[in-house]
Amino acid sequence: AQSVTQLGSHVSVSEGALVLLRCNYSSSVPPYLFWYVQYPNQGLQLLLKYTSAATLVKGINGFEAEFKKSETSFHLTKPSAHMSDAAEYFCAVIETGANNLFFGTGTRLTVIP
Amino acid sequence: GAGVSQSPSNKVTEKGKDVELRCDPISGHTALYWYRQSLGQGLEFLIYFQGNSAPDKSGLPSDRFSAERTGGSVSTLTIQRTQQEDSAVYLCASSLDLEEGSTGELFFGEGSRLTVL
Repeated sequence: AQSVTQLGSHVSVSEGALVLLRCNYSSSVPPYLFWYVQYPNQGLQLLLKYTSAATLVKGINGFEAEFKKSETSFHLTKPSAHMSDAAEYFCAVIETGANNLFFGTGTRLTVIP
Repeated sequence: GAGVSQSPSNKVTEKGKDVELRCDPISGHTALYWYRQSLGQGLEFLIYFQGNSAPDKSGLPSDRFSAERTGGSVSTLTIQRTQQEDSAVYLCASSLDLEEGSTGELFFGEGSRLTVL
């Protein structure tokens, strides 16, 4: 069985501060892991993905995430928040060999000027 | 087309009416997904189509919900006798199949916002 847990439905950071959005997964086999971003009134778009290559994955807009098998985590970070980062972020998992992508409940990021 | 297209973008209906939501996937994508996004609920998987295989309907919340995919391309999600709790944004996504070299990345449409009065 596979599932994703995102800690914190809302996160607020000041502009220029570190962004840390948490994601933990459970999977019985090696997973593929994803972060998607949803800007207001838009569909989801891929931010970055882990597919068993490098454990530190760099995505668009300065975001990165590190796959830590020992902690079953895939937290999303960005060193310095920008106002344009305000959006909802979804972590997702798919098991290798499976076809269905399971999403977390999302974390809404607010950036304070 | 260039991306996943969904219609209508907004639909307001009365309780008890039937609605149809349409999804045009990216050309060449064999996999198609429907998700429901409700306030505070994240993305709820509804149904998955892959080529000519039988769809995975395990996420459909009740027998009022059904979906078809004609000719391996366009899909229609039908909700019969709508209820107020059906109000949500319905998202469609498409992808290449894992066997075709995809790593599971889904491409999403902008969604159809359904409001049941």
